[in-house]
Amino acid sequence: DVKVTQSSRYLVKRTGEKVFLECVQDMDHENMFWYRQDPGLGLRLIYFSYDVKMKEKGDIPEGYSVSREKKERFSLILESASTNQTSMYLCASSIPGGSYEQYFGPGTRLTVT
Amino acid sequence: QQQVKQSPQSLIVQKGGISIINCAYENTAFDYFPWYQQFPGKGPALLIAIRPDVSEKKEGRFTISFNKSAKQFSLHIMDSQPGDSATYFCAASIGGGFKTIFGAGTRLFVKA
Repeated sequence: DVKVTQSSRYLVKRTGEKVFLECVQDMDHENMFWYRQDPGLGLRLIYFSYDVKMKEKGDIPEGYSVSREKKERFSLILESASTNQTSMYLCASSIPGGSYEQYFGPGTRLTVT
Repeated sequence: QQQVKQSPQSLIVQKGGISIINCAYENTAFDYFPWYQQFPGKGPALLIAIRPDVSEKKEGRFTISFNKSAKQFSLHIMDSQPGDSATYFCAASIGGGFKTIFGAGTRLFVKA
C-alpha cells in the first residue's frame, strides 16, 4: 500500500512567519506534488518535482518554494506566510508514465492569522 | 485553455438512485481523465480513469462516459449508497501526468 504522510494535520501560524510543510512517501516514487485545495476551486498545483533536487512551478507558485533533498521527502515552504495562504495543502506522489495515478496524503489544514 | 469545468457543485440523491457528475475540458492535448473521490479528513483517492480512445469505462457501480467530440466526460454512480457520500473531482492530465487540472469538485450526499 502506498503511503503518503504529511507532518501536520492542523497548523496555525502568524502572518510573516516562515512555514514548513513536510511530505514523505514510502513507495520510491519519482514524482511528487504540492497542491492547495480551496472550496469551489478544486485542487491547484503549486509545485512538482520529478527527481531529487529537481522542481517545476505549477499554476500558483507565488509565495511558495519547495525543497527535495531526498527522493522520499518533498517540502513546501511559505517564506512569509500571509492570510491568503490559509488553505488545505495536499501532497501527492506518482510514478512516471504508466497510469498517471497520484497518491495523496491526508492534507494539512493551515490557518494564517 | 487549461480549465476543467465540473457540475453540479453539490448533489443529493436517494439511496439506490443514479448520481451523475459532468465535466468539460477545452485542451485536446489532455490524454488521461481520472475521477478522484475524497472523504472528509482524507486526501483524494483515484476512483476510476479513462483514456480518450475509449468512450466508456465501467468498474462495478462506477462508469465514465467520454465524448471526445464534445470534449465532455461524466461519472455515473449506479445504485448510489450512503457510503458513496463524498466529494468527487474530475481531472484531466497531460505530459505524463505532471500536469493535472482538477475540476472544482462535487459534494455528493446520498440519502438513506
